[in-house]
Amino acid sequence: NAGVTQTPKFQVLKTGQSMTLQCAQDMNHEYMSWYRQDPGMGLRLIHYSVGAGITDQGEVPNGYNVSRSTTEDFPLRLLSAAPSQTSVYFCASSRVASGVGQPQHFGDGTRLSIL
Amino acid sequence: KQEVTQIPAALSVPEGENLVLNCSFTDSAIYNLQWFRQDPGKGLTSLLLIQSSQREQTSGRLNASLDKSSGRSTLYIAASQPGDSATYLCAVASSNTGKLIFGQGTTLQVKP
Repeated sequence: NAGVTQTPKFQVLKTGQSMTLQCAQDMNHEYMSWYRQDPGMGLRLIHYSVGAGITDQGEVPNGYNVSRSTTEDFPLRLLSAAPSQTSVYFCASSRVASGVGQPQHFGDGTRLSIL
Repeated sequence: KQEVTQIPAALSVPEGENLVLNCSFTDSAIYNLQWFRQDPGKGLTSLLLIQSSQREQTSGRLNASLDKSSGRSTLYIAASQPGDSATYLCAVASSNTGKLIFGQGTTLQVKP
């Protein structure tokens, strides 16, 4: 049972480059989300999706795009990388939205450095 | 705006000690509160989830309590072991937005 799988685990980019962080879950979860974790800031919600074809913004969406074409996959795209986007990115999923009491399942994270 | 605070930021205890981690939140309009464990270089693992109508949840040596009116939750770890060393985060699901708001975590070290 793979759970939530994130790729790559590590990435170094130059300012201005674009890239896509991949997230896949095999639990048939409706709700998926992306967080970034920064020292002293905790985890902050970037974007989330309540089902295929539906996405919405979280607390810190600027500079990121998402799409949800299938239930399983929820990629996060950095359009033009900036040093402020250096962070650890986590993808999470749950059977339904967090507001109805379902525990969140997290991937192991992608550690991203922007030079 | 919901804010979640965890005190202390770090804690070091000898093996076998019982300990309490604290989490406070500013807005009592929550669906639930979750406690997570994070090991270095890893993602978060859900430990306990307490619905807003519940007072506590237990799993093995872990017991989490919730006092919504005072905006507080505690995670009690009994008979701590070196394997309990990790960062513990609490998060509340806001009933206004349905989104999780995280505290910054307490890093626990249990010394053999």
